[in-house]
Amino acid sequence: ETGVTQTPRHLVMGMTNKKSLKCEQHLGHNAMYWYKQSAKKPLELMFVYNFKEQTENNSVPSRFSPECPNSSHLFLHLHTLQPEDSALYLCASSQDRATIEKLFFGSGTQLSVL
Amino acid sequence: QQQVKQSPQSLIVQKGGISIINCAYENTAFDYFPWYQQFPGKGPALLIAIRPDVSEKKEGRFTISFNKSAKQFSLHIMDSQPGDSATYFCAASSYNTDKLIFGTGTRLQVFP
Repeated sequence: ETGVTQTPRHLVMGMTNKKSLKCEQHLGHNAMYWYKQSAKKPLELMFVYNFKEQTENNSVPSRFSPECPNSSHLFLHLHTLQPEDSALYLCASSQDRATIEKLFFGSGTQLSVL
Repeated sequence: QQQVKQSPQSLIVQKGGISIINCAYENTAFDYFPWYQQFPGKGPALLIAIRPDVSEKKEGRFTISFNKSAKQFSLHIMDSQPGDSATYFCAASSYNTDKLIFGTGTRLQVFP
């Protein structure tokens, strides 16, 4: 167990649905991240939270909405997604933003948008 | 200039052989080069990393070779085992951006 837990593991949703991805880290870290992993593409950084404050929004469409209520929990709220949003969504954490080089990843949520 | 180019996309190696994965970068500000290993159904996990002040780093069967002048670095897996079958990502970061840039990944399959 990496110490970063993501739920659900799999999610199928229609384009009009609203759903949320959850991430919880048990490592005492202060920085949390959302990455998108698509086949044959580099991991794409979506959002960064450092000490509960959003420090990075990597030009992500507004249909993705992050929430970080505390340093241990991170959510990604999804609404009116497109089929091209189907991917593996990975949550990660690090001690803080300065230690992004040592990321601890969860197992991801495999999202399919129909 | 922020890209990290990784090759090959896939690699098949016989048990006991050497697996070699290559990465190249353009940004000379990069100062940290990690490799991540990802098994099916799992997230990536940090495997080994190097800084540009050394040309090689070895941890068990895994070695990073770094060529600063060529702006290239590679992962060598000696005595490859079926349990090494996974996807490997190179990455690079620089002190002044706090961003980790990933390569596209290499799917390694080691056959008995």
